[in-house]
Amino acid sequence: QKEVEQNSGPLSVPEGAIASLNCTYSDRGSQSFFWYRQYSGKSPELIMSIYSNGDKEDGRFTAQLNKASQYVSLLIRDSQPSDSATYLCAVNLNFGNEKLTFGTGTRLTIIP
Amino acid sequence: DAGVIQSPRHEVTEMGQEVTLRCKPISGHNSLFWYRQTMMRGLELLIYFNNNVPIDDSGMPEDRFSAKMPNASFSTLKIQPSEPRDSAVYFCASSLNGGAVDTQYFGPGTRLTVL
Repeated sequence: QKEVEQNSGPLSVPEGAIASLNCTYSDRGSQSFFWYRQYSGKSPELIMSIYSNGDKEDGRFTAQLNKASQYVSLLIRDSQPSDSATYLCAVNLNFGNEKLTFGTGTRLTIIP
Repeated sequence: DAGVIQSPRHEVTEMGQEVTLRCKPISGHNSLFWYRQTMMRGLELLIYFNNNVPIDDSGMPEDRFSAKMPNASFSTLKIQPSEPRDSAVYFCASSLNGGAVDTQYFGPGTRLTVL
């Protein structure tokens, strides 16, 4: 089992709809969770971080964390063509260590 | 303020040659990370430094890879000798305080092609 798993996609969503991206992780001791967005040919950029169970909202983005199920998700409301990118889930698997383990990413395409 | 700076942006070399990638972290950041990204394996951490000291190099693939951070504003990743399977995009990232919750800021990457 991979340490951080994501569905590679591609995931196609109509413009204006909700895009839902999912990630599971293997280490129950994990404390910090991040979503990075990577446009084609560009570097990853952080869009959301979450540390506690529940939801965290920032504009059109909502991160959801369920530590019991070892599951973290990202919802994008009112999807725009500019949201088309690869979304990387990253987990700090060992608390106190700065090391991030990344999933392989989900490619999202917003259809106008 | 300038972000993370990497050079070169593109490198094409022949198998067996030495390759040196360079990184300047964001000023004031204490931690620096080297990643490699390929289609097959995704984004993998190779090594990271905190206050110029290597903390975890467990991701360095083999002895052909080495990394140094002689001062707070400069780091190198060297591959000697290079092989075609080293072809990838290499990213450098830095973070401010080095904690588990710190944001890592990525540079633009170096696209390496080994022929």
